[in-house]
Amino acid sequence: KNEVEQSPQNLTAQEGEFITINCSYSVGISALHWLQQHPGGGIVSLFMLSSGKKKHGRLIATINIQEKHSSLHITASHPRDSAVYICAVRGVSNFGNEKLTFGTGTRLTIIP
Amino acid sequence: EAGVAQSPRYKIIEKRQSVAFWCNPISGHATLYWYQQILGQGPKLLIQFQNNGVVDDSQLPKDRFSAERLKGVDSTLKIQPAKLEDSAVYLCASSLVVLGGQNNEQFFGPGTRLTVL
Repeated sequence: KNEVEQSPQNLTAQEGEFITINCSYSVGISALHWLQQHPGGGIVSLFMLSSGKKKHGRLIATINIQEKHSSLHITASHPRDSAVYICAVRGVSNFGNEKLTFGTGTRLTIIP
Repeated sequence: EAGVAQSPRYKIIEKRQSVAFWCNPISGHATLYWYQQILGQGPKLLIQFQNNGVVDDSQLPKDRFSAERLKGVDSTLKIQPAKLEDSAVYLCASSLVVLGGQNNEQFFGPGTRLTVL
């Protein structure tokens, strides 16, 4: 079993729909990251969470530390949101340079 | 602020050939990471540098892969000789690490897509 599990693996939705991507993890963490990867490979960091909820534009990320679960929501989805969304968790250490463990990603396709 | 730079963006080689990738992190970032991302999978850490020292290279296939960061800034990742299963995107990332700090964000480069024929 992977330390970081994402669901669904693939998601296709119509423009305007509310999108939810889930991430579950099995290890102790100091932070959880949501990343966006467009075709071509480059990765952009969307959120870094250690508790509660964060919002940026149409994107909302939540985390429940007790349940070891996080969700990424996209409101009023748009075709430009089509990308792979990756959940990654950061382990615990004293130096802040712990490696990230990545999920396999959720491929989101928004149809106009 | 300039981001993490990588070159080349694409490389096609035949198996048993050698290849090298270059990464220039964000200025002032002490920590540099090399990841391998095979199609359909999440990135996997190959090696992590703190300045010019290696912090973690436990998943680096040392019989064929090598990496260096001699002056604590730019880094190169080399594969010699390449195998078919090395076909992947190689991502470089950097972070500003403050000792005793937490949750330093990683900034990723655009990646190098390697195809081994």
